Amino acid sequence: DTGVSQDPRHKITKRGQNVTFRCDPISEHNRLYWYRQTLGQGPEFLTYFQNEAQLEKSRLLSDRFSAERPKGSFSTLEIQRTEQGDSAMYLCASSRGDSEAFFGQGTRLTVV
Amino acid sequence: SQQGEEDPQALSIQEGENATMNCSYKTSINNLQWYRQNSGRGLVHLILIRSNEREKHSGRLRVTLDTSKKSSSLLITASRAADTASYFCASANQAGTALIFGKGTTLSVSS
Repeated sequence: DTGVSQDPRHKITKRGQNVTFRCDPISEHNRLYWYRQTLGQGPEFLTYFQNEAQLEKSRLLSDRFSAERPKGSFSTLEIQRTEQGDSAMYLCASSRGDSEAFFGQGTRLTVV
Repeated sequence: SQQGEEDPQALSIQEGENATMNCSYKTSINNLQWYRQNSGRGLVHLILIRSNEREKHSGRLRVTLDTSKKSSSLLITASRAADTASYFCASANQAGTALIFGKGTTLSVSS
């Protein structure tokens, strides 16, 4: 296993379109996190899973965002009706419990 | 929302000097972690210190934790140009909620 993998690496979409990102965590890791990062800021927590259960979702996350982790393996993050303010780097990370998290390279979303 | 706050926001030093970054957090934690991010790249885990530890070393890195003050520091000794990056602290709190990051310190090391 070579680490956390995210797909796609880049996504350009028109405002109002839906987008879906995928994250494949390190196989033995039970936790999976999604973060959003904009230029000059730290990673902003969006949501996290322990196995297949979504344990926490940021209050900043609007109803347009949804995440799933079927079977506790890979995860998808969907953004519906994208807005220009959704433009950011979307980061996925995985960990074994609350030990060190390993990050993917991220998906850069540009909404035009 | 972000739990940790790093200080300073930006730090510029010469090669060979030491760099110290501080982090404060709000709630009781299980552990605190430091990460590095090079420009345009993903985050890389540097070191994890548990709530019952006071100091930890890894190569040129030294991390301290003061749970009474809810603060941590990261010391990079004998800095190199390759240490130029943003550094973030992240805390895993005792309630078992997600790993929350601070806003980071941008370190520039000039040769």
